[in-house]
Amino acid sequence: AQSVTQPDIHITVSEGASLELRCNYSYGATPYLFWYVQSPGQGLQLLLKYFSGDTLVQGIKGFEAEFKRSQSSFNLRKPSVHWSDAAEYFCAVGAHGGSQGNLIFGKGTKLSVKP
Amino acid sequence: GAGVSQSPSNKVTEKGKDVELRCDPISGHTALYWYRQSLGQGLEFLIYFQGNSAPDKSGLPSDRFSAERTGGSVSTLTIQRTQQEDSAVYLCASSFGQTNQPQHFGDGTRLSIL
Repeated sequence: AQSVTQPDIHITVSEGASLELRCNYSYGATPYLFWYVQSPGQGLQLLLKYFSGDTLVQGIKGFEAEFKRSQSSFNLRKPSVHWSDAAEYFCAVGAHGGSQGNLIFGKGTKLSVKP
Repeated sequence: GAGVSQSPSNKVTEKGKDVELRCDPISGHTALYWYRQSLGQGLEFLIYFQGNSAPDKSGLPSDRFSAERTGGSVSTLTIQRTQQEDSAVYLCASSFGQTNQPQHFGDGTRLSIL
C-alpha cells in the first residue's frame, strides 16, 4: 500500500535561514509527488509537483524539491525562509492509473519561523 | 468564483443530527474529492467523483456517510446521525482529471459536534 512519511512534526527555523522538510514515500512504481502548504483556517495550496523528467522541481514562493528514487524521498527546500512561510506543509503521493484518483498525504510538518 | 467553494465554512450541531456539506468545484474540473482533516489523523481520503459517478468510495468511514454529485458540478457530503468523532475539517478538492492532475482545494468546512 502507498504511504507517505513526514518524520518531523514541527520545525522551527530563523528567518533568513535555509529550510529542508523531509518526505519519504512507499510506492511500487514511479509515483506522482506533490507538496502542499496550508495556512491556518485555509485549504491546501499546491507548491510544486513531480511527475517525471528532471528530478529537481521548482515551485512557487521560492520552494524546490528533489526526487531521489534510491532513497524514496522528495524533500522540500528553500534557501532563505521568510516569516510568511510559517504554515503546515504536506507531502502527498498520487497513484498511477486505475480508478484511484485520490492523494495519500503525510501527516504534515508544522513550520514556525523565528524573527 | 475562480476557486473551489465550500459551504458552510463552519457548522456546529448536536450529536445525532444530520448535516450536509456543499462543494462547488472549479468550472470545468471533472474530478472531485472529499477529504477529512482531524487532529492526529492528518488528511484522510473519503470519496472521489469522476463526473457524477463515484468509482472510489473506499474512504467513507461508515454507512452514515454518503455523497452525491449532480450535473458534474456541485457535490454534497451528508453525515447522518452525527457522532462526536465526526468533528473535523472537511475539505473538498477538484481537478481536471485523476492521478497526475494537481488538486485544487477549498478552504473547508469546520464541523463541530456537541
